[in-house]
Amino acid sequence: SYVLTQPPSVSVAPGQTARITCGGNNIGSKSVHWYQQKPGQAPVLVVYDDSDRPSGIPERFSGSNSGNTATLTISRVEAGDEADYYCQVWDSSSDHPGVFGGGTKLTVL
Amino acid sequence: QVTLKESGPVLVKPTETLTLTCTVSGFSLSNARMGVSWIRQPPGKALEWLAHIFSNDEKSYSTSLKSRLTISKDTSKSQVVLTMTNMDPVDTATYYCARISWTDIEKYYFDYWGQGTLVTVSS
Repeated sequence: SYVLTQPPSVSVAPGQTARITCGGNNIGSKSVHWYQQKPGQAPVLVVYDDSDRPSGIPERFSGSNSGNTATLTISRVEAGDEADYYCQVWDSSSDHPGVFGGGTKLTVL
Repeated sequence: QVTLKESGPVLVKPTETLTLTCTVSGFSLSNARMGVSWIRQPPGKALEWLAHIFSNDEKSYSTSLKSRLTISKDTSKSQVVLTMTNMDPVDTATYYCARISWTDIEKYYFDYWGQGTLVTVSS
């Protein structure tokens, strides 16, 4: 089955840029989607199709995808961005087609 | 306004069958290209996709749980139902339903989520 690998944690100071990676075999050939989940809340889609933002998501959130790594970039990080972030792809050849990464806890220092 | 809401028991005993209902509004399960997935999250752990159903009744299941899962829909009630048999304490999790969206075939993502319902499996 297809595996997505995320770092367990990323820390960044307010105002700085956070980069959260998502590794997978030739992930650049897939569409990667990103979700933000705050404690006790449901996930929220923040980036889809590698780099598109749903309406209402700040431009500070952006994404890229190439080779074996996709990246969610959060510019000018705010305290309210502290959350868990999950990447997701669809791999129809997998026994788990809706594949999620293990999640990354973003801490704002 | 698109909303999804999960309902079902908060506590089930080991070996029992869990039945969860997702009631949707703001879109129709009969419209072409509409789909709903079930996704779960054990406490403190990552998200796990379980199953999906599309408006044309196409269904798919996680292979590791396929023998225990059944997904169905009642378009007239705007509901998607998931049953999971032979529940075990390791199935304790928050269960979410989410609407599937996509811009190209099989590049599915989840654009709207329910609030989730915590199901505890314990005797």
